[in-house]
Amino acid sequence: DQQVKQNSPSLSVQEGRISILNCDYTNSMFDYFLWYKKYPAEGPTFLISISSIKDKNEDGRFTVFLNKSAKHLSLHIVPSQPGDSAVYFCAASAGGATNKLIFGTGTLLAVQP
Amino acid sequence: GAGVSQTPSNKVTEKGKYVELRCDPISGHTALYWYRQSLGQGPEFLIYFQGTGAADDSGLPNDRFFAVRPEGSVSTLKIQRTERGDSAVYLCASSLGPDSSHGYTFGSGTRLTVV
Repeated sequence: DQQVKQNSPSLSVQEGRISILNCDYTNSMFDYFLWYKKYPAEGPTFLISISSIKDKNEDGRFTVFLNKSAKHLSLHIVPSQPGDSAVYFCAASAGGATNKLIFGTGTLLAVQP
Repeated sequence: GAGVSQTPSNKVTEKGKYVELRCDPISGHTALYWYRQSLGQGPEFLIYFQGTGAADDSGLPNDRFFAVRPEGSVSTLKIQRTERGDSAVYLCASSLGPDSSHGYTFGSGTRLTVV
């Protein structure tokens, strides 16, 4: 039972354009959501997060949008850069604490120069 | 150290053998986590320590898996009677406390291959 789903295994975008990565979840108890970026042979690196009391959080080129009614969140990267090429994981937690994260299967983003 | 350190980076073992995977968290981080990432999947929660005690071990798949953190710093994940299905990257992470709005800091992982 996959509680966090990333239905696009890969995405290719031109440098300078917007990258939109999507994530859906099924558990209505989730109240905190995070995005991680992972390069090969490295551990995941925290990117940005959002609490369920908000619908948007922005950090530089990265913005996360949360639609609770649709149980959907998305990560926007603009403008995309070749160094953004990596696997992006969506993760969620419940109960106000992030000590147990449920991850999606990841989306491989390739930014073409 | 500056980051979370995991040793060894790679481990190949024969089916049925015992293995230990080590994690050195960031100094001062009281919370420590173990996750497992199989090929094509996202990280899967195994266990969470707050200090020396396992606060949540609900992700350990069976009693062949055990983890300790005796002094509240270094942790060891122990797998008995390894099976081929245990092959995965085992990730360790740490955070200042149990409720980190900035997520955890992960190590680079130990790639375990059971042959």
